[in-house]
Amino acid sequence: NAGVTQTPKFRVLKTGQSMTLLCAQDMNHEYMYWYRQDPGMGLRLIHYSVGEGTTAKGEVPDGYNVSRLKKQNFLLGLESAAPSQTSVYFCASRWAFQANTEAFFGQGTRLTVV
Amino acid sequence: GNSVTQMEGPVTLSEEAFLTINCTYTATGYPSLFWYVQYPGEGLQLLLKATKADDKGSNKGFEATYRKETTSFHLEKGSVQVSDSAVYFCALTYNNNDMRFGAGTRLTVKP
Repeated sequence: NAGVTQTPKFRVLKTGQSMTLLCAQDMNHEYMYWYRQDPGMGLRLIHYSVGEGTTAKGEVPDGYNVSRLKKQNFLLGLESAAPSQTSVYFCASRWAFQANTEAFFGQGTRLTVV
Repeated sequence: GNSVTQMEGPVTLSEEAFLTINCTYTATGYPSLFWYVQYPGEGLQLLLKATKADDKGSNKGFEATYRKETTSFHLEKGSVQVSDSAVYFCALTYNNNDMRFGAGTRLTVKP
């Protein structure tokens, strides 16, 4: 049982380059999330999705786009990377319809923008 | 809006010491409360949870009680081990999709 899988695990980008982070879950969860984790700031929500074909903005959406074309996949795109986007990115998924279900996290993607 | 505030770290303890990590929340209704743990190089994983007032969540010797009157969900462990060294996150969920995390508290346990 793979759970939540993120690819890639590490990436170095030059300023202005673009890339897509992939999150895949095999638990048939409705809800999926993208967070960034920065020192001293905990987890900040970038975008989330409550189902296939839907996306919504979180706390820090600027500079990112997302797509949820298939229920099991949630893609995070950076169109023009900036050094401020250097961070560790985590994807999470949850079962819908109940607020007391826990989230399952991927192992993270460490992104460095130079 | 909904939010979670947890004590700032880092916290350094000797093995077998007592641990408390404070967590308070702000929510308009009745959220579910969670503690997650992040070991080095890994994603977060659920440690324990409580879904209504006065519930106590427990796992691996850790406990936390949902206190509605003080809007708190403090994490405790009576005797920490070196293997408990990690970052601990308090979190809440409300109205299904709203999920908020505290800033995280780094715990280091020394032998």
